Amino acid sequence: QKEVEQDPGPLSVPEGAIVSLNCTYSNSAFQYFMWYRQYSRKGPELLMYTYSSGNKEDGRFTAQVDKSSKYISLFIRDSQPSDSATYLCAMSASWPWVGGSEKLVFGKGMKLTVNP
Amino acid sequence: DGGITQSPKYLFRKEGQNVTLSCEQNLNHDAMYWYRQDPGQGLRLIYYSQIVNDFQKGDIAEGYSVSREKKESFPLTVTSAQKNPTAFYLCASSRRQGPGGELFFGEGSRLTVL
Repeated sequence: QKEVEQDPGPLSVPEGAIVSLNCTYSNSAFQYFMWYRQYSRKGPELLMYTYSSGNKEDGRFTAQVDKSSKYISLFIRDSQPSDSATYLCAMSASWPWVGGSEKLVFGKGMKLTVNP
Repeated sequence: DGGITQSPKYLFRKEGQNVTLSCEQNLNHDAMYWYRQDPGQGLRLIYYSQIVNDFQKGDIAEGYSVSREKKESFPLTVTSAQKNPTAFYLCASSRRQGPGGELFFGEGSRLTVL
């Protein structure tokens, strides 16, 4: 079983839809959970960061972490064409995120298209 | 503006040639990283450095080399020993301590081997 699993999609939705992006993981030591957004031919940028369990909201974006189920989600409300990008989940057991057992592990990314 | 600058953005190389990808940051970050991204795959760590003059292998270091002579610079050399070098290469940096240690990424360098 891979450490982090993410449905690669692609996912296509109409403008205004609620989008749910998900990742599952197997390492119960993970405590730091992130969502990165990557536009085509660009580097990823941090969208949401959550430590341990719970929800975090930032505008139209909500990140949820369920450590008991080893499941994280990113919800996008009122999706816009500008949200069209690849979304990568990432997680780590510790900070700083360097190599070895402390490395940051990325999902494969889900490509989202929001159609006007 | 603070950030990470990668160059060149696109690079073509013949088989058997070494190429060096540049990465410069002005964020005053101690830690720097090189990742490789292939279609349908997550980011894979090539090398990382926590401080000047020190660096460690990541998961896929074979065929690559790095140096860290200055805090702001972390160049990556793709050698002829790398069997499948065509990929999108991403450089990143972060603080080593304190909260909010997110990775800041450059815009990437796309290497194509002809």
